[in-house]
Amino acid sequence: GNSVTQMEGPVTLSEEAFLTINCTYTATGYPSLFWYVQYPGEGLQLLLKATKADDKGSNKGFEATYRKETTSFHLEKGSVQVSDSAVYFCALRAGANSKLTFGKGITLSVRP
Amino acid sequence: DAGVTQSPTHLIKTRGQQVTLRCSPKSGHDTVSWYQQALGQGPQFIFQYYEEEERQRGNFPDRFSGHQFPNYSSELNVNALLLGDSALYLCASTLEGGAETQYFGPGTRLLVL
Repeated sequence: GNSVTQMEGPVTLSEEAFLTINCTYTATGYPSLFWYVQYPGEGLQLLLKATKADDKGSNKGFEATYRKETTSFHLEKGSVQVSDSAVYFCALRAGANSKLTFGKGITLSVRP
Repeated sequence: DAGVTQSPTHLIKTRGQQVTLRCSPKSGHDTVSWYQQALGQGPQFIFQYYEEEERQRGNFPDRFSGHQFPNYSSELNVNALLLGDSALYLCASTLEGGAETQYFGPGTRLLVL
């Protein structure tokens, strides 16, 4: 079946540090890939997405590139801010209007 | 434009009881999905409703059931509650067709004692 694996957390960084959060997937066909963010006490918000191989999703300084050859969708940001502190989930959708399959999530804490 | 709304925000029940959670989709959306997010875990898909019918279901027992109304709002019912049902229950809506993004509500946090 489909699955998403995220690197183990939590991650603690200083403000302005570089961020990489690893995500790999297993799926049949050509899934769409997503990063969702969950701020404390809130629901999930879509951060970025990519729907086909080599697509790069970007938003709020975050980027992720759909790598079919390595089945990966790593999230990066060049300079994190305290306001980026949240839980980040990688997810995939295989097929039109199909369910989202999520990774376990990783908590990012950014200190001033 | 209202986003996805859920009620109630918090709920406390005891084992064996039944619970009903409610969701109103984002304006213009006609498809509703429900997810269970246990503490420290990613959301797990429960089921999806479109045109008032359950269209897809995840690996959850029959104690979990749902309904979609003509106005596209939805309910999640859980019978015979277990301690392990304690979780954040998330509702997501989208437009039928799959190309659109799923938008999530803030969730209902259920505690079973």
